[in-house]
Amino acid sequence: NAGVMQNPRHLVRRRGQEARLRCSPMKGHSHVYWYRQLPEEGLKFMVYLQKENIIDESGMPKERFSAEFPKEGPSILRIQQVVRGDSAAYFCASSPGQGSTYEQYFGPGTRLTVT
Amino acid sequence: SQQGEEDPQALSIQEGENATMNCSYKTSINNLQWYRQNSGRGLVHLILIRSNEREKHSGRLRVTLDTSKKSSSLLITASRAADTASYFCATVFHNAGNMLTFGGGTRLMVKP
Repeated sequence: NAGVMQNPRHLVRRRGQEARLRCSPMKGHSHVYWYRQLPEEGLKFMVYLQKENIIDESGMPKERFSAEFPKEGPSILRIQQVVRGDSAAYFCASSPGQGSTYEQYFGPGTRLTVT
Repeated sequence: SQQGEEDPQALSIQEGENATMNCSYKTSINNLQWYRQNSGRGLVHLILIRSNEREKHSGRLRVTLDTSKKSSSLLITASRAADTASYFCATVFHNAGNMLTFGGGTRLMVKP
């Protein structure tokens, strides 16, 4: 059973470009979470999705950031018109169900560098 | 902020010694989890302890939870150089959905 997959592992974008980060949850998991980690800091929650639904996006910046989890295919975190401050590691986690007793399994992360 | 805070921020010990890391939080939780992150890598889940539990063990790891003090500790016994990593506590708060709220982490270095 493959773990959570994220790609690309490293992404370099110039200011103003778009970044697309992909996350494939573990098999059988229908709940996906995105977190952002700035250098030397802990992870901060961004958004929680189930298939075709955004459940909680309270951690998402109001502009330029969007996320989706379509019925088929991976979850996508999209950052439009990237700025240097978007440089960070973005982690995706998945869980098999809803509820605080379910462990979240993390992917290896995508390290975004904005030049 | 509801965020958990780890203490100390950095810890350096010799191989074979025990390492203790602490985590404090501010509001009621459903559970508290500890993760390890090697430099430049993803997170590895270590232990989940529920709010009605006081202590859990896993191999050389021992986690305690004191909900009256809103604190938890992670003890690594007989540390090894391979334990060198950052350790994060993460909480799931009541009425805050399923997302994890992470502290800033403790950077542990175990010298051979």
